Amino acid sequence: GAGVSQTPSNKVTEKGKYVELRCDPISGHTALYWYRQSLGQGPEFLIYFQGTGAADDSGLPNDRFFAVRPEGSVSTLKIQRTERGDSAVYLCASGTGMGELFFGEGSRLTVL
Amino acid sequence: AQKITQTQPGMFVQEKEAVTLDCTYDTSDPSYGLFWYKQPSSGEMIFLIYQGSYDQQNATEGRYSLNFQKARKSANLVISASQLGDSAMYFCAMSSSETSGSRLTFGEGTQLTVNP
Repeated sequence: GAGVSQTPSNKVTEKGKYVELRCDPISGHTALYWYRQSLGQGPEFLIYFQGTGAADDSGLPNDRFFAVRPEGSVSTLKIQRTERGDSAVYLCASGTGMGELFFGEGSRLTVL
Repeated sequence: AQKITQTQPGMFVQEKEAVTLDCTYDTSDPSYGLFWYKQPSSGEMIFLIYQGSYDQQNATEGRYSLNFQKARKSANLVISASQLGDSAMYFCAMSSSETSGSRLTFGEGTQLTVNP
């Protein structure tokens, strides 16, 4: 499709489990961003990729969170040993590295 | 560091009237960009309008205009002729050369409700 695609749209998991969230950016966009949005709040930056490398991962809350973009296109956000506080909508966005970002519809993660 | 403040958690407007959503920002960077996004209940963030810090004129996009007052560090969004479909969460955001790429810092958002 033409837009940013995120899967799954909804994920329910149990505390302590491992989760992967996938983002397929707009074709040709070199920049990819992950944000986390908790209920009633604005999105918070997690990590930014330029090509295959993480240019800025300063927003990752702790070492349970990790993201990859091995071929410079699709990205996977990985969360180990999930906690209830990880419950949120995880938004992916892509862009050219300058100007506006194009967002996906997000992956809603619920940790029971 | 950048900070975006949206002081209106909720706003109500009658259909066909205009509404202003407030946004103030804080940055020490002389070059920055200001954005407004709309987030309907479906969750997707929809880009509305952009203003560069060196742009001389206020940005406009259809029914959206950005009232940019640089000295006051404000970037209010004006929606004219409100429609029922404008009911959504609205986020003000900024990017600057202090941050990598086009990384955006978002405000807390304003929930707009358009009444028939």
